[in-house]
Amino acid sequence: DAGVIQSPRHEVTEMGQEVTLRCKPISGHNSLFWYRQTMMRGLELLIYFNNNVPIDDSGMPEDRFSAKMPNASFSTLKIQPSEPRDSAVYFCASSLPFFGENTEAFFGQGTRLTVV
Amino acid sequence: AQSVAQPEDQVNVAEGNPLTVKCTYSVSGNPYLFWYVQYPNRGLQFLLKYITGDNLVKGSYGFEAEFNKSQTSFHLKKPSALVSDSALYFCAVSPYGGSQGNLIFGKGTKLSVKP
Repeated sequence: DAGVIQSPRHEVTEMGQEVTLRCKPISGHNSLFWYRQTMMRGLELLIYFNNNVPIDDSGMPEDRFSAKMPNASFSTLKIQPSEPRDSAVYFCASSLPFFGENTEAFFGQGTRLTVV
Repeated sequence: AQSVAQPEDQVNVAEGNPLTVKCTYSVSGNPYLFWYVQYPNRGLQFLLKYITGDNLVKGSYGFEAEFNKSQTSFHLKKPSALVSDSALYFCAVSPYGGSQGNLIFGKGTKLSVKP
């Protein structure tokens, strides 16, 4: 398996523009997570899905952020409109449902977003 | 509130010396505990985890971690550090015995190993 695949790797956009980040989880993984990493706040969980259903979106910073998982192999995180303070590295991770002896979360390479 | 603390922003070690990266947690229920490593411009890579059983857990690249329930700690250790171990290390916890399927991360500790 190629692992968790995120696109794009880098995104530079102007303030006010819509940004869409994409994630393909590992095949067979039922849980998917979106994290944001910044120097100031570290790694923050934004939202996670089980079986394509959002379970906890309490980490989504505001209404400008939305996430979807239309099927088991694809998820998007959208920011509309984007602001400079959204600049961060966004990670997607996937795992089997519920952690146990043979499960852990696998992370993608991340998308570095810069909003100017 | 459920949280993970990594009290040191940076740990400096000479190559060949033992290293310890500290982690304490505060969660409800029995926690599942994890360590991840992040190299520059890369995603996080799994190192090891504690689910249940032996308090000393062995993981990748010669790392190990000791679960201490009374001190609510899960410190990462390695007997002999390598320059290539230099990276950012994250402790994480999944509360409620992993049943909620999410991970709460500490802020990370930068490990610097000098030759």
